[in-house]
Amino acid sequence: QKEVEQNSGPLSVPEGAIASLNCTYSDRGSQSFFWYRQYSGKSPELIMSIYSNGDKEDGRFTAQLNKASQYVSLLIRDSQPSDSATYLCAVNMTGGSYIPTFGRGTSLIVHP
Amino acid sequence: DAGVIQSPRHEVTEMGQEVTLRCKPISGHDYLFWYRQTMMRGLELLIYFNNNVPIDDSGMPEDRFSAKMPNASFSTLKIQPSEPRDSAVYFCASSSSPGQSSYEQYFGPGTRLTVT
Repeated sequence: QKEVEQNSGPLSVPEGAIASLNCTYSDRGSQSFFWYRQYSGKSPELIMSIYSNGDKEDGRFTAQLNKASQYVSLLIRDSQPSDSATYLCAVNMTGGSYIPTFGRGTSLIVHP
Repeated sequence: DAGVIQSPRHEVTEMGQEVTLRCKPISGHDYLFWYRQTMMRGLELLIYFNNNVPIDDSGMPEDRFSAKMPNASFSTLKIQPSEPRDSAVYFCASSSSPGQSSYEQYFGPGTRLTVT
């Protein structure tokens, strides 16, 4: 069964620190990778997508993809209390449908 | 764009009643997804449509669940009869398909369903 794995956390970091969120996936042929942020009681919100090996930066967020090792990570620099949320990793598995499979999410807490 | 619209935002019903959830996708998106989210099971894909046609309903838990998409701007998810274990947040999401490598999904605000 094709899976996306995330540590459920919570990951607790102090304000201003770098938060590192990791995700591994089982399907070596996966091509598209997404990070969603979900605040408590709200819907998932797409914050990053990455398709090629390496880093992709957008403001304080950096997505890192390593297809050989089958992991994707999200770094949040200068973490703020407003970044406290659950972060969902989603991966488009192969097999024809290209529909994302979501991980269970990692809870991030940024404390002042 | 208004984003994905869902209604109602909250629904409380008694066991055995019929529940209908509604979704309007983002204009121009040709994929529509229905998800269910619970603490126990996380985010589960129930069914998805492409160009109004159901493509994969393998995530629909049982025959009590049905979904339709009569046109490009409207979809419904129906539960009949409802049971307490159906209590969850139901999300609708939509995406476009610019190519096989990109299916960014945009979620609606969700419907919180409580079945007593």
